[in-house]
Formats: sequence, C-alpha cells, structure tokens
Amino acid sequence: GEEVAQTPKHLVRGEGQKAKLYCAPIKGHSYVFWYQQVLKNEFKFLISFQNENVFDETGMPKERFSAKCLPNSPCSLEIQATKLEDSAVYFCASSPRPSGRSGANVLTFGAGSRLTVL
Amino acid sequence: GESVGLHLPTLSVQEGDNSIINCAYSNSASDYFIWYKQESGKGPQFIIDIRSNMDKRQGQRVTVLLNKTVKHLSLQIAATQPGDSAVYFCAENAGGTSYGKLTFGQGTILTVHP
Repeated sequence: GEEVAQTPKHLVRGEGQKAKLYCAPIKGHSYVFWYQQVLKNEFKFLISFQNENVFDETGMPKERFSAKCLPNSPCSLEIQATKLEDSAVYFCASSPRPSGRSGANVLTFGAGSRLTVL
Repeated sequence: GESVGLHLPTLSVQEGDNSIINCAYSNSASDYFIWYKQESGKGPQFIIDIRSNMDKRQGQRVTVLLNKTVKHLSLQIAATQPGDSAVYFCAENAGGTSYGKLTFGQGTILTVHP
C-alpha cells in the first residue's frame, strides 16, 4: 500500500507484561524505522532495518526491547516486561533506498501505536 | 551530545499571515534536514527537506532556509491557513551509516486563528 500501517492503534498493558506492535511498510520500501515519542514531545530513534537485516540498533534498550522484519510478514517491535516509562507512542516509518536527490530520502511515518503501561 | 532544538515552543498567527518557525542544530556533520508537521493523533508528515549544499529550497507555500555558518534552519509558511495548525518538528541526519536516524527538535506548536 501507499501508507505505513501500524497496529494496534492503542495497547494497554500492566507493568511487567509483554507488548508487541506491528508495522507494514509501504510496498517497495526497503528501509523500516522505529521511533518512540513520549508526551507528544521529542522523537527517539530506536532501530532501523534494511529489508530483514538490522541496519542501526544504536537506539534500542537492549534488555527488554527487540524488533524483527521478516520476509512476507509485518515488522514487529516487542517489549518484554513493560515498565511505566515505556508508555509512549511508537512510530514506524519506511523509506526507499537512499538517494542523493532531495525528497528521495523521505521517511514516511505511520499513525503510531499508543502504548499505555499501568 | 548532539541535538537539534527549537527557539520557540509556541507560535500564534492570524490566518493569512506568514509564519516563521526556527530551529538550531549542533551536529556539524549533518547533511540533510527535514521539516515535519504533526497533527494531533497522527504521525509526522513530511513538509520539505534540504541538503547541506543548499541554503534555500521552496515548495508550495513553504520555504526552508539553511544557514550552516550559525547552524540554523527555518521554515517559512506563506499565507498561513487554519489547516496549518499543528506541531512542527525539524530533524537532521548525517547520512551514510546513520541513514534514517533522524534527530528531532522539540517541536513548535503553531496555532492559526481565523
């Protein structure tokens, strides 16, 4: 499709429970990115994929967060043993292969998945 | 660490006025800058971008200016409309192995009064 599809829109978890979010990138886009936005404020980069391979995971809290992009499946972001501070909106974005042309490196974002940890 | 920040957190304008949203960045290695618009309950929407080898780029009703000397980026919106009301974020990227790893500013809330 022509939009990045994220599910679920909202997810509520008790502290210590697992949360799993899904993202279907735009067809033909080879890069997928996950960002975390807390309190409608700054975005924090988590991880990126080039096809099914991790491209950059420097933003991932390694202990409880994991992500995958498998062929023919939506990408996923999983949080084990959620904590209160994991409450945020998680955005997925996708882009085509990098290009020198302006506009060609644009990340297209999904509508986000709001995670609330109680 | 390196960061991108905005000078003004809120901006209120009248419909039809021109708006200017400012952003300072600190990473001199950044070579790609983007402005995003975020409406309530939605993801960031691309507005315009500019590479470091340019100092100005125009789109439809929007202009981005880049001053590398003082590491300053601005977004100008001409004839602002109520539909322009949103939070505006600047973002920067150093490219290469950092491709897609955007550093966002804190956001400016633009409110357009009819």
